[in-house]
Amino acid sequence: KAGVTQTPRYLIKTRGQQVTLSCSPISGHRSVSWYQQTPGQGLQFLFEYFSETQRNKGNFPGRFSGRQFSNSRSEMNVSTLELGDSALYLCASSLASSGGAYEQYFGPGTRLTVT
Amino acid sequence: DAKTTQPPSMDCAEGRAANLPCNHSTISGNEYVYWYRQIHSQGPQYIIHGLKNNETNEMASLIITEDRKSSTLILPHATLRDTAVYYCIVRAHTGTASKLTFGTGTRLQVTL
Repeated sequence: KAGVTQTPRYLIKTRGQQVTLSCSPISGHRSVSWYQQTPGQGLQFLFEYFSETQRNKGNFPGRFSGRQFSNSRSEMNVSTLELGDSALYLCASSLASSGGAYEQYFGPGTRLTVT
Repeated sequence: DAKTTQPPSMDCAEGRAANLPCNHSTISGNEYVYWYRQIHSQGPQYIIHGLKNNETNEMASLIITEDRKSSTLILPHATLRDTAVYYCIVRAHTGTASKLTFGTGTRLQVTL
């Protein structure tokens, strides 16, 4: 079974621009979560989507947004990029539905550099 | 989710067992202990999780103390490829929450 895929793997943008990152979950997984990883803050939860609805959100400004499509693929968007948005953005998928034990499987990440 | 405390770093000789401790003294009765690891610049990898019984899978064993305030992840025969940052996470299996709260983890260095 194919794992979680993220595109692009590397991206360089300038301040003020916007960026869209894509994540394809493991087949059959309906939940997609996004995380930001920086050297200073570590791994931080951004948001989670399930059945095209955002059902959990971390403490990030409104410049960070996402969506999920009917095939469970997800995109996250960051508008008006700042230097501090440079990070590894990780996507994780799981079978999560209405509780119970489930694990999250992470993709390789997208390395975003803002100059 | 309850907070966890882990040593910042540990060393282990290849072939030996690596025992990684985690303290979660404020864990609630419905919270599970999860372990993930992250090899440099890759996405975190799920290892194992448990509630109160000891658990074992092909990767590792998880030993949870009877009072559930601490646990130990055991890699029985560490290899160089086990060098990574190991995260202990405590979370409940609620209906809608999937958020993982990562701490700073333990950097395990496996050496020859």
